[in-house]
Amino acid sequence: QKEVEQNSGPLSVPEGAIASLNCTYSDRVSQSFFWYRQYSGKSPELIMSIYSNGDKEDGRFTAQLNKASQYVSLLIRDSQPSDSATYLCAVPYNAGNMLTFGGGTRLMVKP
Amino acid sequence: GAGVSQTPSNKVTEKGKYVELRCDPISGHTALYWYRQSLGQGPEFLIYFQGTGAADDSGLPNDRFFAVRPEGSVSTLKIQRTERGDSAVYLCASSLNLAGGAMVGELFFGEGSRLTVL
Repeated sequence: QKEVEQNSGPLSVPEGAIASLNCTYSDRVSQSFFWYRQYSGKSPELIMSIYSNGDKEDGRFTAQLNKASQYVSLLIRDSQPSDSATYLCAVPYNAGNMLTFGGGTRLMVKP
Repeated sequence: GAGVSQTPSNKVTEKGKYVELRCDPISGHTALYWYRQSLGQGPEFLIYFQGTGAADDSGLPNDRFFAVRPEGSVSTLKIQRTERGDSAVYLCASSLNLAGGAMVGELFFGEGSRLTVL
């Protein structure tokens, strides 16, 4: 059973703060990891991907990967109310053919 | 079209009825996926097509669910004898996969078909 676990939240942070979202996965052979953002009533959209241990930065977003601990996180700096959404962690399985999603963490950024 | 198109956007049906949900993927995307998402949950994998064939249908919950992609483009998800527990948003996604099936990038999702079974 391939599992991806996330705290469902809601995670509430004030505007301008750093939001930290966490994800653990069970499949030790996974090589790539994705973060999708889903606004209420909308479909998921990819915001970050990471393949190597360490940090990957893209604007206000930083993905962090620790394969030994089977842990991936997403940091959002200078959080904005427009960042309020559900963030889904996704891990490929079946030789990378498809994604297993976590349950998502709902983030609320308060002005 | 520019994105993944799903129809209908909303479908209300009665318990026991038959339902078809349609997905038109991004042109040129060989891989097509169906997921199901219930309120407050992440997307749950149902079935994956590489070209015309179902490469993995292990996520289909039971034999009331069936999907086809006869020409390798448009796909239809078919649900027989609908039950109230089938109520969810059904998401279709497409991807540009390698010949061996491995994803080379992101999944592009449609806006979903919201199914309500009364």
